[in-house]
Amino acid sequence: EPEVTQTPSHQVTQMGQEVILRCVPISNHLYFYWYRQILGQKVEFLVSFYNNEISEKSEIFDDQFSVERPDGSNFTLKIRSTKLEDSAMYFCASSGDQAGNTIYFGEGSWLTVV
Amino acid sequence: AQSVTQLGSHVSVSEGALVLLRCNYSSSVPPYLFWYVQYPNQGLQLLLKYTTGATLVKGINGFEAEFKKSETSFHLTKPSAHMSDAAEYFCAVSVPSNYQLIWGAGTKLIIKP
Repeated sequence: EPEVTQTPSHQVTQMGQEVILRCVPISNHLYFYWYRQILGQKVEFLVSFYNNEISEKSEIFDDQFSVERPDGSNFTLKIRSTKLEDSAMYFCASSGDQAGNTIYFGEGSWLTVV
Repeated sequence: AQSVTQLGSHVSVSEGALVLLRCNYSSSVPPYLFWYVQYPNQGLQLLLKYTTGATLVKGINGFEAEFKKSETSFHLTKPSAHMSDAAEYFCAVSVPSNYQLIWGAGTKLIIKP
């Protein structure tokens, strides 16, 4: 079965450093997403990406965050100047169509900011 | 705006017993509804979804859920729990014009031997 892959699975970074989380969506999918889950809290939507641009973003997704699809396969989330409260599990997801179609999630990247 | 409420952060059942995980939603337009499962140290896996059509939806691993518009509910059930069902279960809602999923807080299912 096709799957979304994420790297790294776990990253520890110092406060103020930049982090790039990488994702390889399913190859024929067109819609890409980042969600995050702070320990003990709900999964939260960050951003969706379609046709090489952001289609939606939440209030969480401020100027500290950016996404990019640098080539035909990778989809990255960059977090600049990380803060302690950025510590969370970050999930990448992709889907072949808009909401209602199955969204496939990766296994997550656990980010710890110290 | 949409929202999801899952009743019970933890549900404990005996192996072989009925599993019932509750989910209520709020949506101003007809919703799409999802149940995802997260096994320990793993990502989110789709169990089942409702978009349109038949209100009783069957998913993987013997789970099913019924969309009840009058009760704004989408409860997840399984007739007989198995030890391997121990995981956290998330209900989520979206609407056709929107890309994002709105998530419930999750329910951790504990299976007693």
